[in-house]
Amino acid sequence: DQQVKQNSPSLSVQEGRISILNCDYTNSMFDYFLWYKKYPAEGPTFLISISSIKDKNEDGRFTVFLNKSAKHLSLHIVPSQPGDSAVYFCAASATGGADGLTFGKGTHLIIQP
Amino acid sequence: DTAVSQTPKYLVTQMGNDKSIKCEQNLGHDTMYWYKQDSKKFLKIMFSYNNKELIINETVPNRFSPKSPDKAHLNLHINSLELGDSAVYFCASSPRAPHSYGYTFGSGTRLTVV
Repeated sequence: DQQVKQNSPSLSVQEGRISILNCDYTNSMFDYFLWYKKYPAEGPTFLISISSIKDKNEDGRFTVFLNKSAKHLSLHIVPSQPGDSAVYFCAASATGGADGLTFGKGTHLIIQP
Repeated sequence: DTAVSQTPKYLVTQMGNDKSIKCEQNLGHDTMYWYKQDSKKFLKIMFSYNNKELIINETVPNRFSPKSPDKAHLNLHINSLELGDSAVYFCASSPRAPHSYGYTFGSGTRLTVV
C-alpha cells in the first residue's frame, strides 16, 4: 500500500533546462511534504519542504508546488546542473512528523551535458 | 564532523548469525530513527526513539531490536539473520516533533546475508 508514489523511475534532462519531478500521495492526513536527494553510497539529504497550508515554496533553483485537491506535488529545478544528477525521494509526514516519514520509491534524475 | 554516523558501512554475514549496527548523532537531536531500504528501493521506517523511549514501532520482526544507551546513540540489533534481511539500513535523527522535519540521515549500512 503505497501512500506516496513517484511513478517515474528515471528522468533525463539536458543541462540548463528545467527538471520536473512529480509525486502523488493518497493519505489525506499528510500535512508536510519533503524532497530528499540521494547520491550513491550516501544517505538522503534534505532538499526542500512545504507545509500543507502553502502551495509553493522556493529555495534558489528549487521550487516545490503542492496541489492539495489533486494530492500532488512537484519539484522544479531550474536551471538543471550536472551535480543535480541523483535519486530524488518525495516524503510526507502527518501529526507533526512524530511518526516518521513515508517515502516514495524515488526518481533517478540524469542531467545530460 | 559527521552529523549522523553509522558503522559498519558494509556487513556480510551468514544466515542465523546475530549482528549489530551502531549509530551516533552529534546534532543534539531528540529523536533517532532506523529506516530500511529494500531491494525495491523503498525507504521504510522501522523504529524511532525519542529521549530513550520507543515512540513508534512498525511491523518489523521481533528479531530486530533497537537499543539506545543515551540520546546520541541508537543501535540496531538483529538476531537470527535471514536472507530477506539483506538491505541498506539508514539511521536518522531529527529535532523533537513538531519540528521533526529536519531529518538528517547517516550514509547507510549495506547488510548482505549469505
